Amino acid sequence: DAGVIQSPRHEVTEMGQEVTLRCKPISGHNSLFWYRQTMMRGLELLIYFNNNVPIDDSGMPEDRFSAKMPNASFSTLKIQPSEPRDSAVYFCASKLAGGGNTEAFFGQGTRLTVV
Amino acid sequence: QQQVKQSPQSLIVQKGGISIINCAYENTAFDYFPWYQQFPGKGPALLIAIRPDVSEKKEGRFTISFNKSAKQFSLHIMDSQPGDSATYFCAAGHQGSRLTFGEGTQLTVNP
Repeated sequence: DAGVIQSPRHEVTEMGQEVTLRCKPISGHNSLFWYRQTMMRGLELLIYFNNNVPIDDSGMPEDRFSAKMPNASFSTLKIQPSEPRDSAVYFCASKLAGGGNTEAFFGQGTRLTVV
Repeated sequence: QQQVKQSPQSLIVQKGGISIINCAYENTAFDYFPWYQQFPGKGPALLIAIRPDVSEKKEGRFTISFNKSAKQFSLHIMDSQPGDSATYFCAAGHQGSRLTFGEGTQLTVNP
């Protein structure tokens, strides 16, 4: 298995532009998580999905952030318009919900820089 | 009640020494306590995890100690090696649900 795949690995954009981050979870996993990592705030959960349905989006900082999961193999996190304070590493993670296996597998992350 | 507090923020130990990282939680409903290891430029990866029905779990040089009454758990790295230098996160959660992460500890093991 290739693991959780995120793209792009790096993104540099100008303030005000739209940014779309992409994630392909591990095949068969039915929970997907988007995290943001910064030095100041550590790992923050933004939103998570179970079976493609958003369960908890209370971590989404503002209306500028939106996430979708149109099917079990793909999710996007969109920031529109982007701001310099959105600069961070964004991680996607997936796991098999329920049962005895609760390990979450993380992707390599997308380093976003908004200038 | 969802917070997980982790300390220290950074830790420097000599090769062969013992590294100890501590975490405390508030939500008594948490039933899963993993530790994740993160190397620069990589995503966090599960290192070891424990459930509240045991007080200790050991995997190689890594041990989790769990104190349910105090709502605390810790990671011990025995015979620390330079290759263990990384950021370590504790976390807590419910089976099948979200994880709440601690703030992270940057561990440096000097040769």
